[in-house]
Amino acid sequence: DAGVIQSPRHEVTEMGQEVTLRCKPISGHNSLFWYRQTMMRGLELLIYFNNNVPIDDSGMPEDRFSAKMPNASFSTLKIQPSEPRDSAVYFCASSPAATGYGIPPYEQYFGPGTRLTVT
Amino acid sequence: RKEVEQDPGPFNVPEGATVAFNCTYSNSASQSFFWYRQDCRKEPKLLMSVYSSGNEDGRFTAQLNRASQYISLLIRDSKLSDSATYLCVVNIRLSNFGNEKLTFGTGTRLTIIP
Repeated sequence: DAGVIQSPRHEVTEMGQEVTLRCKPISGHNSLFWYRQTMMRGLELLIYFNNNVPIDDSGMPEDRFSAKMPNASFSTLKIQPSEPRDSAVYFCASSPAATGYGIPPYEQYFGPGTRLTVT
Repeated sequence: RKEVEQDPGPFNVPEGATVAFNCTYSNSASQSFFWYRQDCRKEPKLLMSVYSSGNEDGRFTAQLNRASQYISLLIRDSKLSDSATYLCVVNIRLSNFGNEKLTFGTGTRLTIIP
C-alpha cells in the first residue's frame, strides 16, 4: 500500500506569494494531521482533522494559514501571503484513529514532507 | 514548563554500548506514549509504543513511569544504524470520538561512533 503522499516535495517561493501544500492520507485512515518542523521549534502540530472535520486548529500560527479537507483522500494547507519565517518542512500524517485495524491506536504515519523556502 | 521535554543531546556513543534517554511530560492526563525515530532530512517514523508495563522490541526497551511522569528508551548493543534523532510523543485523548492532542518533544540526537 502507498503511504502518505505529499506534494510538492520542495517549494521555493518569494515573499508574498501564495503557497499550497497537498496531502493524500493512507486509504482508510480517519485522522489527518499537518505539522511544521524547524530547527528552532521542533515539530509543531498545526491542525488536525477527524473524518474530514477540523478538530483542533490552535496550532495554526495566524490567519495567513488555512487548511481544508474536502474529502477523505485529500487535504491542503495554504499560506497566503507567505513570509520568510514560514520556511520549514511541512509534514502531513494520517492515523487510523480507532482500533480494529490491527494497529495500535493513535499511531501516525508521516509523509515525506514538503520543504518550503520563502525568500 | 514544556509539555514534553527531552535532553537534545547530542549523545555520542561507541558502537556496542548501551544508551538511555528520558522524556518528561507535564500533563497527568496523558494516555498514550510513543517513541519515534527521525533520520536526517526524513520524516518521523514510529519506533515503538510505550505501555504501562514496559515493553521490549529486540534491542529496544521502553518504560513508563506515571508517578514521575516520564518515559524512557533504552538501546542495547547500539549499531551505527541507530544514529538518528529520537522523538518522545505524548498523546491525550480529548473525547470518545477519537479526538486527540499529540505533542512531540524536540528530540534527542544520537550518534553511534564506530
